Amino acid sequence: GAVVSQHPSRVICKSGTSVKIECRSLDFQATTMFWYRQFPKQSLMLMATSNEGSKATYEQGVEKDKFLINHASLTLSTLTVTSAHPEDSSFYICSARDFGGRGDTQYFGPGTRLTVL
Amino acid sequence: AQSVTQPDIHITVSEGASLELRCNYSYGATPYLFWYVQSPGQGLQLLLKYFSGDTLVQGIKGFEAEFKRSQSSFNLRKPSVHWSDAAEYFCAVGPPSGTYKYIFGTGTRLKVLA
Repeated sequence: GAVVSQHPSRVICKSGTSVKIECRSLDFQATTMFWYRQFPKQSLMLMATSNEGSKATYEQGVEKDKFLINHASLTLSTLTVTSAHPEDSSFYICSARDFGGRGDTQYFGPGTRLTVL
Repeated sequence: AQSVTQPDIHITVSEGASLELRCNYSYGATPYLFWYVQSPGQGLQLLLKYFSGDTLVQGIKGFEAEFKRSQSSFNLRKPSVHWSDAAEYFCAVGPPSGTYKYIFGTGTRLKVLA
């Protein structure tokens, strides 16, 4: 099946530092990837749509300067949380859109737990 | 407005019992429909999906779902639940074209009693 990886799985950082999270589609090419944030015991909140070779599209209320997204290749998108603060602590999940033979479907990574001290 | 409703926040069943998780949606046209499962601290795994055709869809781990257009529903079923099925289940709908963004339900947490 379609496999999406995320790295790191967990990260702890100090307030004010920046953290980069990678999302890779391992066995398919993804022109579109999505970044979600999930609070404890809640559903997923879409943060932005990442398009290969172009600027990301952010959802209303998401600070684009705070959450930098780069989709430099067909298999890699990165989310950088800049100047992180404790309120940015959360579970971040990416997905990659596969519209190949398996049909138009988002496949999700395992998530990254960010803790900002 | 487009929305997905999962009426049951928590469901508890005994191991071996049957299971049905409900999902209703409000959408302008017939969307693509999905069920995902999430174990604690993990990402989402696709269980099954419906695009068109046969309204009864078979998925992984013995799950199936039935699309009922007249009821705008896409309920997930399993005839015999295993303890390992305990997890959070999300129903999602997506557009056949355009933004490809999904709308997720709020999830149903399944607890399985031994």
